Amino acid sequence: ILNVEQSPQSLHVQEGDSTNFTCSFPSSNFYALHWYRWETAKSPEALFVMTLNGDEKKKGRISATLNTKEGYSYLYIKGSQPEDSATYLCASWRPSGYSTLTFGKGTMLLVSP
Amino acid sequence: GAVVSQHPSWVICKSGTSVKIECRSLDFQATTMFWYRQFPKQSLMLMATSNEGSKATYEQGVEKDKFLINHASLTLSTLTVTSAHPEDSSFYICSAPPPRLAGKYNEQFFGPGTRLTVL
Repeated sequence: ILNVEQSPQSLHVQEGDSTNFTCSFPSSNFYALHWYRWETAKSPEALFVMTLNGDEKKKGRISATLNTKEGYSYLYIKGSQPEDSATYLCASWRPSGYSTLTFGKGTMLLVSP
Repeated sequence: GAVVSQHPSWVICKSGTSVKIECRSLDFQATTMFWYRQFPKQSLMLMATSNEGSKATYEQGVEKDKFLINHASLTLSTLTVTSAHPEDSSFYICSAPPPRLAGKYNEQFFGPGTRLTVL
């Protein structure tokens, strides 16, 4: 069983604050890590797919880093805005038949104006 | 972009009835679709992989006779919860990888999900 853990479970910040979340995953047989943003009543939206150790990806004010040797990824949001309020999911991808994603429970972010 | 729709967005049914949930890829063809389930405060858990033109593949512990999957076309997969019971109340969500992204570790495009409540 592949365990993907995310922390914190929830986070409440003020507009303009920068914040970060952690995703930990088994480092053995690593293939890829996905980050998704899931706004209430909408579809989860892919943010990043990361594969290489030391990789860093950026999308606007959001960035993510990956450490495959120690099995963790950080997601950073610089200058949080109310529209960043969502649940952020990470998932480890492994080829298993048609390929499968194993998700963490998510970090729920609330950004207050 | 790739859009996946799901219908209905929520459904309430009586115990013992069957409920059908549809997952459609609107602007791409999906030979494979995935069905997940999420219980409160838990992670999305893969239930089954839906394959166009062939039988679905179910994850361990998921009853294939209870959760019927039909992938009749390249844009539609359906999940039918048969003889639903209150313990089947959950959030069901589907996803599909667009063919153009095949080989890139299968970024998934998700539907908005269906909230099922069984009374």
